[in-house]
Amino acid sequence: QSALTQPPSVSGSPGQSVTISCTGTSSDVGSYNRVSWYQQPPGTAPKLMIYEVSNRPSGVPDRFSGSKSGNTASLTISGLQAEDEADYYCSSYTSSSTWVFGGGTKLTVL
Amino acid sequence: QVQLQESGPGLVKPSETLSLTCTVSGGSVSSGSSYWSWIRQPPGKGLEWIGYVYYSGGTNYNPSLKSRVTISVDTSKNQFSLKLRSVTAADTAVYYCARADYDISEALDYWGQGTLVTVSS
Repeated sequence: QSALTQPPSVSGSPGQSVTISCTGTSSDVGSYNRVSWYQQPPGTAPKLMIYEVSNRPSGVPDRFSGSKSGNTASLTISGLQAEDEADYYCSSYTSSSTWVFGGGTKLTVL
Repeated sequence: QVQLQESGPGLVKPSETLSLTCTVSGGSVSSGSSYWSWIRQPPGKGLEWIGYVYYSGGTNYNPSLKSRVTISVDTSKNQFSLKLRSVTAADTAVYYCARADYDISEALDYWGQGTLVTVSS
């Protein structure tokens, strides 16, 4: 199974919105609404931010939203804050009944 | 609040077996709605899903690691474990244990802090 494709880096100024894409295939992202997003600040464990494409766990700000179109899922962060600076990873269920992660995207808040 | 803690050797020699244990508190590995998972992250690189075990002992592994991996559960100790055989330098990584919750489509909602395992002679 190949890793999902994410842009290596994105950036934005405080208050702006940024979107991180996650492109898979018809064998993973395109076929299942089982896409998750994780935030990983430097030196820490990942934290679940979005599950089932667009659902937020309790405690995750509503500035974080997820969506999907075809084989590409997206994470949008609105009202960007300095504390949002981190690496972000998407993950999807696959037709092999396994899971695959994206390569990760480094978000820089300018 | 579920908490997970990895433990095991931080240094393993090439060709030997990497063994890690994850101790769960605040929850039970016997829960029918949880899959107990291992994920790794080589230094400076992305996350890789290794696999998971269910309380009944059923498992699911990453195809690229399947021939070398065993994940098992010990309900009496509320722990689950990872064994990775015939390791090489490419297996050097931070290893995380995590819970995949069936009720949210197996998203990983609780993670351990991670433990660095270095493969070197």
